[in-house]
Amino acid sequence: EVQLVESGGGLEQPGRSLRLSCTTSGFTFGDYVMSWVRQAPGKGLEWVGFIRTKVYDGTTEYAASVKGRFTISRDDSKSIAYLQMNSLKTEDTAVYYCTRASFSSSWRSDYWGQGTLVTVSS
Amino acid sequence: DIQMTQSPSSLSASVGDRVTITCRASQGINNYLAWYQQKPGKVPKLLIYASSILQSGVPSRFSGSGSGTDFTLTISSLQPEDVATYYCQKHNTAPWTFGQGTKVEIK
Repeated sequence: EVQLVESGGGLEQPGRSLRLSCTTSGFTFGDYVMSWVRQAPGKGLEWVGFIRTKVYDGTTEYAASVKGRFTISRDDSKSIAYLQMNSLKTEDTAVYYCTRASFSSSWRSDYWGQGTLVTVSS
Repeated sequence: DIQMTQSPSSLSASVGDRVTITCRASQGINNYLAWYQQKPGKVPKLLIYASSILQSGVPSRFSGSGSGTDFTLTISSLQPEDVATYYCQKHNTAPWTFGQGTKVEIK
C-alpha cells in the first residue's frame, strides 16, 4: 500500500525556518517525482514545487511565490522527501501536502499525504 | 506563466443532474491536465489525468474532455457524495498551476 506521511509542521515566527519531511512506503521512491502542494486556510490548492528523480539529476522546480526561499530535496535511501522553508512569511501559513507524481500519457499526483499544518505568526 | 481559470467558481445542482465544470488555460497545454476532487476537510483525490483518463476506482459518472486550452469535467448524474471542490491542474511544464477551484453543492 502506497503511503505518504508528512511531518515537521507547527508554529514558527516570520523570518525563521522550518523543514518538512514526507516519509513514504509501498513504492520504489527513487523512481518517482515528488511534489509539494499547499492550501492556505479556506483557500484553494497552490503548487509549491517538485523534485525530479536522480535519472534527471534530482533537479527542482518551484512556484514563483517560494522560489529562493524554499528548497526541495530527497533521500532515496530513506524514501523521504523534504521541504526546507526559509525566510518564512505569514502568507506561508497553510496545510502542506506531499504528493507522488506519476507519468503515463501525462503527469498527475496520484497519491497524497494527509498534510501537515504550518502556521507562521509572531 | 500559463494561468488556469475555472468556471463557475461555485454551482448548486440537484441529485441526478448533469454537471459541467470548465477549465481554461491561457496557452495551449496539449492534454496535460488533471482533475482533483477535495471533499470538505479531506485530502485532494485524483479523478482524471491526461484530460480524459479516469483514475482507477473513480466512478464512471465522472468524465473529462478537452485539449489545447479548453477542458471540461462532467459529472453525468450528480450524487450526494460528490459535494466537493474540484480543481484542474496543468502538468505540461512547470509551474504545475491549479485552477482556483469549483465548489459543487446539492440544491
